[in-house]
Amino acid sequence: NAGVMQNPRHLVRRRGQEARLRCSPMKGHSHVYWYRQLPEEGLKFMVYLQKENIIDESGMPKERFSAEFPKEGPSILRIQQVVRGDSAAYFCASSPGANEKLFFGSGTQLSVL
Amino acid sequence: GNSVTQMEGPVTLSEEAFLTINCTYTATGYPSLFWYVQYPGEGLQLLLKATKADDKGSNKGFEATYRKETTSFHLEKGSVQVSDSAVYFCALSVRTSGSRLTFGEGTQLTVNP
Repeated sequence: NAGVMQNPRHLVRRRGQEARLRCSPMKGHSHVYWYRQLPEEGLKFMVYLQKENIIDESGMPKERFSAEFPKEGPSILRIQQVVRGDSAAYFCASSPGANEKLFFGSGTQLSVL
Repeated sequence: GNSVTQMEGPVTLSEEAFLTINCTYTATGYPSLFWYVQYPGEGLQLLLKATKADDKGSNKGFEATYRKETTSFHLEKGSVQVSDSAVYFCALSVRTSGSRLTFGEGTQLTVNP
């Protein structure tokens, strides 16, 4: 049973470009969480999704950021018109249900030039 | 709101030394408490957890006791090894937020031979 898979592992973008981060949850997991880790900081919650639904997006910036978890395929975190301050490690975690153990991916390191 | 505060790092110890990393929390409701570990270049792994007052979580020689009266969940290990070098995160979740975690800032531990 493969763990939570995130790709790409490293992503480099220039200011103004779009970044797409992918997360494939563990098999049988229908709940996905995205977190952002800024340099020298802890992880900050961004968004919680179930298949085809956004449950809690209270941690998402109001502009440029969006997330989806379609019926088929991975969850996508999309950042439009990236700025240098978006440079961070983005982690995805999945669980089989609400209030159950989270399993984390290895993260995507986004660097904005 | 919910928050977690960890002792400031980094922490540097010699092999076989005693480790304590302090963690205190504030939460609405009755949280579950966690310690996660992040090895270089990897995602977070659950180290231990406790779900109610006076519970002791333990794993790989690490222990932490849920102290409701002091709102604390300090991590301890009697004899650290070089392989314990990592970043340690204290975290909490409340049932009303699914498996969403609120993390502390993280503490970098370096163990020297």
